[in-house]
Amino acid sequence: SQKIEQNSEALNIQEGKTATLTCNYTNYSPAYLQWYRQDPGRGPVFLLLIRENEKEKRKERLKVTFDTTLKQSLFHITASQPADSATYLCALENFGNEKLTFGTGTRLTIIP
Amino acid sequence: GAGVSQSPSNKVTEKGKDVELRCDPISGHTALYWYRQSLGQGLEFLIYFQGNSAPDKSGLPSDRFSAERTGGSVSTLTIQRTQQEDSAVYLCASSPGEDSTDTQYFGPGTRLTVL
Repeated sequence: SQKIEQNSEALNIQEGKTATLTCNYTNYSPAYLQWYRQDPGRGPVFLLLIRENEKEKRKERLKVTFDTTLKQSLFHITASQPADSATYLCALENFGNEKLTFGTGTRLTIIP
Repeated sequence: GAGVSQSPSNKVTEKGKDVELRCDPISGHTALYWYRQSLGQGLEFLIYFQGNSAPDKSGLPSDRFSAERTGGSVSTLTIQRTQQEDSAVYLCASSPGEDSTDTQYFGPGTRLTVL
């Protein structure tokens, strides 16, 4: 069966360190993968998209990698700040399918 | 500019009643999506519109759920004979729809509680 798993429900990281979140998938052939941020009581907000033929994508303090052999994406936040505390969701779309499927998310807390 | 808006923000209803949830997408966005998010769960895809037609209704959990979109803009999600397991946050998203990689812009959601 198809599955998207994010490494842990909750992750606590000391301010200033790099936070690394994991997204693993099985039985998908994704055209691309997206990462979203969701704050309590709000809808998800798009952060980054990486295509299946790209290895890495960066945006300011964010970096996403995509390994289609390992069927895994890593999401890094460098120099983390308390304002980065939120739930982070990965989502992917299979080739030829308009539908995005989301993981359950990882709740990240940056400790001052 | 204005983002995706949803109404009501909160809805409490009794089991067995019908509810209507509304989504106003970003102006000009042709694609519209409905998702459901239960406590501690990921987003569950419900239905996708391209214009007024729904090429993918595969996520609707039962025939009590229906959705329509008129004028290529506003969409309503209707749940008939609500059950307690329908309690969740219902999220709507829109995208320009020109490319399947388009970013989806989400509304704040409607929190539905079925007593």
